[in-house]
Amino acid sequence: GENVGLHLPTLSVQEGDNSIINCAYSNSASDYFIWYKQESGKGPQFIIDIRSNMDKRQGQRVTVLLNKTVKHLSLQIAATQPGDSAVYFCAENINNAGNMLTFGGGTRLMVKP
Amino acid sequence: DSGVTQTPKHLITATGQRVTLRCSPRSGDLSVYWYQQSLDQGLQFLIHYYNGEERAKGNILERFSAQQFPDLHSELNLSSLELGDSALYFCASSVRPGVTDTQYFGPGTRLTVL
Repeated sequence: GENVGLHLPTLSVQEGDNSIINCAYSNSASDYFIWYKQESGKGPQFIIDIRSNMDKRQGQRVTVLLNKTVKHLSLQIAATQPGDSAVYFCAENINNAGNMLTFGGGTRLMVKP
Repeated sequence: DSGVTQTPKHLITATGQRVTLRCSPRSGDLSVYWYQQSLDQGLQFLIHYYNGEERAKGNILERFSAQQFPDLHSELNLSSLELGDSALYFCASSVRPGVTDTQYFGPGTRLTVL
């Protein structure tokens, strides 16, 4: 896959358990945050986003939490399934820097059946 | 399937050569973005076009250039290729160029420079 050879933190969970993937961002001026999922051989797939004026947003089985005080973002996946196995990236966007996403290094999620 | 298409899927070429990667955005999207994903640098923003005009540049090498055509498809041109240019190149598109306009990614082009 794309990330072979790239040292990625790995989270291994049992099927059915909840997963929490964390991300630290660096720019306090970031306005918008997105989580992407990347499966082997595919492009990043949008999961969920959150604006800087919010601290929590929920989707289907996923929740994103934003803590601007410590510049921390997390993605919670409920009842993790084998199909959730992928690399997850957080990305941030800064309003005055053009619409360019700055990606974190990624976390590999492995779901054990 | 995001609706963003990229061709070719794989490209193998030699150092010093020039290649062109093509991207068609989702129907209705006016913004196109290019990103590079390499093993040591992760996902890096290269350039953004909106409705034919360049809007933002990231760490794009001078050997690389891009354009967006009137039909909104975009091409990324890579010249004088080096071994280190081997990477996955992704195109993304969004409806508008705003910060909160979600970017949807294509499947990528894997470039191998030998």
